[in-house]
Amino acid sequence: DTEVTQTPKHLVMGMTNKKSLKCEQHMGHRAMYWYKQKAKKPPELMFVYSYEKLSINESVPSRFSPECPNSSLLNLHLHALQPEDSALYLCASRRQGNDYNSPLHFGNGTRLTVT
Amino acid sequence: GQQLNQSPQSMFIQEGEDVSMNCTSSSIFNTWLWYKQDPGEGPVLLIALYKAGELTSNGRLTAQFGITRKDSFLNISASIPSDVGIYFCAGGLNTGGFKTIFGAGTRLFVKA
Repeated sequence: DTEVTQTPKHLVMGMTNKKSLKCEQHMGHRAMYWYKQKAKKPPELMFVYSYEKLSINESVPSRFSPECPNSSLLNLHLHALQPEDSALYLCASRRQGNDYNSPLHFGNGTRLTVT
Repeated sequence: GQQLNQSPQSMFIQEGEDVSMNCTSSSIFNTWLWYKQDPGEGPVLLIALYKAGELTSNGRLTAQFGITRKDSFLNISASIPSDVGIYFCAGGLNTGGFKTIFGAGTRLFVKA
């Protein structure tokens, strides 16, 4: 079982809907990440939060809006998505933002389908 | 930007055979990680490497962090059917925030 929990597991939404993806970890990690993964492709980095502050935004469109309410929670707010945004959205965490000796731990993802 | 070149793209092997895959880059990385991903799940960490030249084993898996910090390999010995899956290398580096980027993956198929 993964120690990073993502909900929901599956989500189907229309292009005019607003929805949110949620991620939670209780390992005391202070860096949290959102990745997007298309079928048969590697995970692509979207956002990095370090100590609840956004430290990296990989030029992600504004229809994706991340939020880190506290050190255990990470949300991804979705609005006006396109069908090509359908993918597996993975959350991950690391012990500390600048701690090299700390690997990423992933959740099992949310499978998003935009209709 | 930083890119990882992972090879081979896929491998078809017999049970019991050894497997080798590798990643190279033109960029220097602080860490090298190897993950395995099964269908419907997130990537699971297999081995983490933190020092240039480091050689680390985890059961039948062995991985090395290249001396130049630009490459890494993963070996799997005596493969079994449950080794089937996608293996990703990942490199970690600090660019004003610590990011981890992934190679394209190696799909492993094991025939019993």
